[in-house]
Formats: sequence, structure tokens, C-alpha cells
Amino acid sequence: GDSVTQMEGPVTLSEEAFLTINCTYTATGYPSLFWYVQYPGEGLQLLLKATKADDKGSNKGFEATYRKETTSFHLEKGSVQVSDSAVYFCALLIPNSGGSNYKLTFGKGTLLTVNP
Amino acid sequence: EADIYQTPRYLVIGTGKKITLECSQTMGHDKMYWYQQDPGMELHLIHYSYGVNSTEKGDLSSESTVSRIRTEHFPLTLESARPSHTSQYLCASSAYSGSPLHFGNGTRLTVT
Repeated sequence: GDSVTQMEGPVTLSEEAFLTINCTYTATGYPSLFWYVQYPGEGLQLLLKATKADDKGSNKGFEATYRKETTSFHLEKGSVQVSDSAVYFCALLIPNSGGSNYKLTFGKGTLLTVNP
Repeated sequence: EADIYQTPRYLVIGTGKKITLECSQTMGHDKMYWYQQDPGMELHLIHYSYGVNSTEKGDLSSESTVSRIRTEHFPLTLESARPSHTSQYLCASSAYSGSPLHFGNGTRLTVT
């Protein structure tokens, strides 16, 4: 079945370090891919998305490229800030067999802590 | 910013009590969802609705029930709370199937 595997955390970095959170997926068909972020005490927010192969999603300095050949959607940021401390979820969206509805599958989440 | 509201934010109750977690959205979204988030952060879909009078069970079996009498309102009810129900409950909505989800800030439930 469809699934998402993301890097286990927690990840702890110093401010201005480079961030990579790995995400790979297994899917039949042509999924859309998302990264959601959950700040402490809040719900999830959409961070970025990509709907087809080779698309690059970007937002707030974060980027991820939809790589069909490696079935990956790794999240990167060149210089993290303390305010980026949060839980990051990779997610896969794929239509059902009839194409009328979609199933969203989340990874297990990666906790990022950025220290000053 | 998404307009989806959950109340209460925090709830501590005793075993056996009946509770309702409220979720409302003002965006006119047809699709609404309830997720249970365990302490390890993993999200589990427990209920969803594709419109008024439509409700379905999600991937994770749950003793809770939901109703969808109005588009904007999607409450979740536990008839008899147990300590195993202690968790964070997140409500979400989307404009249509395939569009990104908008989440509320969650209700953190503790059953003693």
C-alpha cells in the first residue's frame, strides 16, 4: 500500500546549520507530496507542496524537490533559526481507484530543535 | 490563516464521563477530518466527512463518534471516556479532495 517513511528524530542543530530531513514514499499512481509543520502547541500547517515529478516546493527558506526516480521528497533549509523548532511531517496524497476522492498519508513526524 | 476552531484546548476529565470536542470552520469546506495524535507525534485518521450527513470511519478504530449536521460543524463525542483515550485530537478541513488540509490547534484530552 501507499506509505511514507521519514527520517526519525529528534534532530538537534545549532542556529544557521544546514537542515535535511529525508522522506521517501511508496505509491501506486501519481501522488502529490507535501511537507507540513507543527509548531509547539499548535495544529499542522502546510509548509510546501509539489504535485508532479521534478517540481520544487519552497516556502520560508525551506525547499523540497519531488524526485520520482528515487521516490523521495527531502526537506532542506540552508540556515535554520531557533524559530524553526517544530515537528515536520511528510505527506503523500493519492487518488482512490475511482479518482473521486483522495487519501492523505502522513509520515511519523520528525522533531527538530534548533539551539541558539 | 485558516479559520478552523477547536474547543476546548485542554480538557481533564474522569473516567466514564461523556465528552464532546467541538470543531468549527468558517471557510465553507465540505471535507472535514479528525486525527488522533499520540505522544510519539504520529497522526491517525479516526473520522472524516465529505459533506453534510456524511461520516466515515478512518484508518484507526476509535470508540468515538462524529456527526455532520451543518457544513461548518464537526463535533466528536466520547460516550464514556477512558484513560486510553488520553491524546491530542486535531480537526482539519479541506475545500475539496486533493486540496491541502487546514488544521485547528487541537484539543489535548487527559482522562484520569
